[in-house]
Amino acid sequence: DIVMTQSPDSLAVSLGERATINCKSSQSVLYSSNNENYLAWYQHKPGQPPKVLIHWASTRESGVPDRFSGSGSGTDFTLTIGSLQAEDVAVYYCQQYYTTPLTFGGGTKVEIK
Amino acid sequence: QITLKESGPTLVKPTQTLTLTCSFSGFSLNTPGVGVGWVRQPPGKALEWLAFICWDDDKRYSPSLESRLTIIKDTSKNQVVLVMTNMDPVDTATYYCARSAGPPESRLYHFDYWGQGTLLTVSS
Repeated sequence: DIVMTQSPDSLAVSLGERATINCKSSQSVLYSSNNENYLAWYQHKPGQPPKVLIHWASTRESGVPDRFSGSGSGTDFTLTIGSLQAEDVAVYYCQQYYTTPLTFGGGTKVEIK
Repeated sequence: QITLKESGPTLVKPTQTLTLTCSFSGFSLNTPGVGVGWVRQPPGKALEWLAFICWDDDKRYSPSLESRLTIIKDTSKNQVVLVMTNMDPVDTATYYCARSAGPPESRLYHFDYWGQGTLLTVSS
């Protein structure tokens, strides 16, 4: 199984400041034939289903604000919230879809400082 | 408009068999590249993938739960059913179904649409 390790477990950021979440996979999720990283980021708020923010490691989903950005390749990935807004309070998960079993990171809780 | 909705019991007893149904609209599970998966979240814990079924009936399961899981699609009803046997209190969780879609050659994609989830409690 590919193990997804997120850090930190939680972080508190002031409104308007940057939040950075890291995700490391135990093996590469870069598919050589198409040069795509099979890595997605989800936002999960209480009482709601997860919402995909980023797929292919850096492609923002339609309608997602551009303050959300994804980067990285191979085994190391980052989700950045460029200017934290109140509505961004949530738990964020990375997920690899390179192979089954599909696996999620342990989640990072983002709060307002 | 793509929607998914989970249905099933809210309470089951230990050792019983759980049947959850995902009813969807706005897409077809006959379309190459489309799949539906199940993901759960125990209270206070992370998301956990359970099972996935593709348009061509390819089925994938979490290795830790494979012996207890069966996933079935009914394309005529636009439904995907998940059966989980020998339920235990540790299976208490919110269960989600979700869609993935992309070029058929890759088969696995991110989940782009999710149901609202259904909370299941396993207790005697």
